[in-house]
Amino acid sequence: DVKVTQSSRYLVKRTGEKVFLECVQDMDHENMFWYRQDPGLGLRLIYFSYDVKMKEKGDIPEGYSVSREKKERFSLILESASTNQTSMYLCASSQGGSGQPQHFGDGTRLSIL
Amino acid sequence: QQPVQSPQAVILREGEDAVINCSSSKALYSVHWYRQKHGEAPVFLMILLKGGEQKGHDKISASFNEKKQQSSLYLTASQLSYSGTYFCGTDPYYGGSQGNLIFGKGTKLSVKP
Repeated sequence: DVKVTQSSRYLVKRTGEKVFLECVQDMDHENMFWYRQDPGLGLRLIYFSYDVKMKEKGDIPEGYSVSREKKERFSLILESASTNQTSMYLCASSQGGSGQPQHFGDGTRLSIL
Repeated sequence: QQPVQSPQAVILREGEDAVINCSSSKALYSVHWYRQKHGEAPVFLMILLKGGEQKGHDKISASFNEKKQQSSLYLTASQLSYSGTYFCGTDPYYGGSQGNLIFGKGTKLSVKP
């Protein structure tokens, strides 16, 4: 089974802090994704990566950056956390190309105070 | 560009059937369906590729009408375990996609005894 592991289930940070969310997958998948999930808005793509050191902006990249130094690890960075970034963050991975299922981690519920 | 799901919510009794629709304003290469139970990660159900195919998974099946740019998820003889939020994810690109999806806002399905 594919395993996508997110480093924290719950996280509380303060406004202005730099926040790192980590995601690791164990299936040698080329693609990795970061989503934000808010009630009534569904899953919105923040950034995705289709190869090591490659990244593409999704629908809501503002205030976020990402890093993919190794194939199995994809990090989401909140440069200066703000209260409107309080949300559930989901990481996913898939094999390369289109038409492949995405496998999700359990999510990190992030609260910015 | 976000696909539109309908209905937003539905309540069923065990054994009843339901249909969830997903419509896009853009031509689609594929449609993915996921189910998310409360407090858990979204779980992949099935992918439908362009060509108007229909797929089945136990008593859950789906169709994809390429011309109408619409997919429907059919839940037959619903069980309590079917409760959750169902998301469709659409891939609007032909060939050159990197596998990123645009998700709908979700349909919350509640099955009562």
